[in-house]
Amino acid sequence: GAGVSQSPSNKVTEKGKDVELRCDPISGHTALYWYRQSLGQGLEFLIYFQGNSAPDKSGLPSDRFSAERTGGSVSTLTIQRTQQEDSAVYLCASSLGPGITTEAFFGQGTRLTVV
Amino acid sequence: EDQVTQSPEALRLQEGESSSLNCSYTVSGLRGLFWYRQDPGKGPEFLFTLYSAGEEKEKERLKATLTKKESFLHITAPKPEDSATYLCAVLTSGNTGKLIFGQGTTLQVKP
Repeated sequence: GAGVSQSPSNKVTEKGKDVELRCDPISGHTALYWYRQSLGQGLEFLIYFQGNSAPDKSGLPSDRFSAERTGGSVSTLTIQRTQQEDSAVYLCASSLGPGITTEAFFGQGTRLTVV
Repeated sequence: EDQVTQSPEALRLQEGESSSLNCSYTVSGLRGLFWYRQDPGKGPEFLFTLYSAGEEKEKERLKATLTKKESFLHITAPKPEDSATYLCAVLTSGNTGKLIFGQGTTLQVKP
């Protein structure tokens, strides 16, 4: 596609429910990243995929967070038993690869609100 | 620990008043430094990549420079539409591809 696409753009969920956030990267981009941005804060790294594998999951805050990527393309970030502190904008980015020329392009984000 | 610090946190300029934003970094080995622009409610938009000290990149009123310890984003004769948050990020030799971001500088340009 022309850019990174994320869905939904907004999600309001009740505390304790599970949510799934979707990311469609730019076609041909093998690297995919998830970041979280809380109100007024910088971007917090969550997980990095190269193809379908995740060599770096170091940013996932707890075992309630998981992510997968299939076919080297679409990725889903799942948050189980959501808590209010999970409220944030979840951003996905993709790039050609982890090499030196690896400009990452971001989607518009999913704004998650846990009530 | 790899770290990126941006200053100032916020900057107010009059239209036409040039200034610079700073991004200082402490990393194990720099593979690339990136500048992004973020408008409210939107994802970051890629601006520049710099790879080695002494390198410069320009785009319209923006010019990014890099030294061994910091990067500057110079804004010449800014316009109100340049108002945004500017984010700096580094890619280091010690990680697998994740970008480490600074907290950003929020720029407001008044007409």
